[in-house]
Amino acid sequence: GAGVSQSPRYKVAKRGQDVALRCDPISGHVSLFWYQQALGQGPEFLTYFQNEAQLDKSGLPSDRFFAERPEGSVSTLKIQRTQQEDSAVYLCASSLVTSGSPYEQYFGPGTRLTVT
Amino acid sequence: GNSVTQMEGPVTLSEEAFLTINCTYTATGYPSLFWYVQYPGEGLQLLLKATKADDKGSNKGFEATYRKETTSFHLEKGSVQVSDSAVYFCALRTEGNTPLVFGKGTRLSVIA
Repeated sequence: GAGVSQSPRYKVAKRGQDVALRCDPISGHVSLFWYQQALGQGPEFLTYFQNEAQLDKSGLPSDRFFAERPEGSVSTLKIQRTQQEDSAVYLCASSLVTSGSPYEQYFGPGTRLTVT
Repeated sequence: GNSVTQMEGPVTLSEEAFLTINCTYTATGYPSLFWYVQYPGEGLQLLLKATKADDKGSNKGFEATYRKETTSFHLEKGSVQVSDSAVYFCALRTEGNTPLVFGKGTRLSVIA
């Protein structure tokens, strides 16, 4: 079946521009996570949704970062007034939430954002 | 807080060599432990996992044992192949459907 998809795969933005990154989770997956992966580093947690509710946004690095999942399926991560330090790969993952589930997270291919 | 430390790379091995990538963790509670692999140009894939002490996760010839006494989850493979060249990430997750905490990754290159 289809996995997690993300678009665009690559995005180049001039400093100060706003960007929107899209994630399509696996159908039926209740939970959705966003991670940021800087070059040469491991992914770091940004925010987490269960259905349409944003349960944890403690990892968002500044108030320029905003995420939404209005219908509990597709999610968008928006970055306003991009800065060079925002350059990274943005990963989306989804998982089921069922009793006894190991809550395995399935990752998308990521969006590589380069801010020039 | 929770954290994962894994050996820095890059690691370069000849085909059929033995592989060990060290991983240690610090966690509150009782975490589940994971190894993820990222092949060139692809997304993160779960390689193996272990959810309790002394569990051994295994997949594709890779193994890792959850050692609570040493807070470790070292990745091993007896005979690596060129196709194993990738970046390997150790990760943990505390109880429930919580975010993963990753190490910095170890790049493995296997040469023929």
